[in-house]
Amino acid sequence: GESVGLHLPTLSVQEGDNSIINCAYSNSASDYFIWYKQESGKGPQFIIDIRSNMDKRQGQRVTVLLNKTVKHLSLQIAATQPGDSAVYFCAEGGRTNNAGNMLTFGGGTRLMVKP
Amino acid sequence: GAGVSQSPRYKVAKRGQDVALRCDPISGHVSLFWYQQALGQGPEFLTYFQNEAQLDKSGLPSDRFFAERPEGSVSTLKIQRTQQEDSAVYLCASSLTTTGDEQFFGPGTRLTVL
Repeated sequence: GESVGLHLPTLSVQEGDNSIINCAYSNSASDYFIWYKQESGKGPQFIIDIRSNMDKRQGQRVTVLLNKTVKHLSLQIAATQPGDSAVYFCAEGGRTNNAGNMLTFGGGTRLMVKP
Repeated sequence: GAGVSQSPRYKVAKRGQDVALRCDPISGHVSLFWYQQALGQGPEFLTYFQNEAQLDKSGLPSDRFFAERPEGSVSTLKIQRTQQEDSAVYLCASSLTTTGDEQFFGPGTRLTVL
């Protein structure tokens, strides 16, 4: 498949370690944030989302933290596995002209897990 | 399958040709979005449908781009007189909600314009 993210920032972690991927967003009015995982040749895969009235949300092995003061979002992956290797995008949901959540994606971070 | 499907997966067009890209959303999903993803970048919004109504097309880069969803299910993105700068992956996403929360993406169509 084609390569996603040839020149993206890269985070390299050892298998079993925790990973933290950071993202800065631009629109202080955004009220919905999502993390996606994208493997080469595939579409983005939903991981976890969070609304602006929360500052933390946990899923299976993943935690998203939202700091609205500094417009910062982070994704924490516990006990990182080789299957977690992919490009990770944060996205903010901005209302379209007619209320649908068009997503504005950040630049992406490549996570590489070393066995 | 239960996911979003797109066809074709790969399309090569000569400059000036018209192309049509198809999206089959998850059954029952009200919202449908098209995004364009250039190599090494995140997806960028093109257009949004709620059922059969195209409520936002502000992201379409030119009037050569046209999208439809006539029966509120399958959607087609058409690009007329393709140019080299149209080369990208075109992604379709659908959502159960009218606000487009939790969008599920298809695998994309990789368009290469020669």
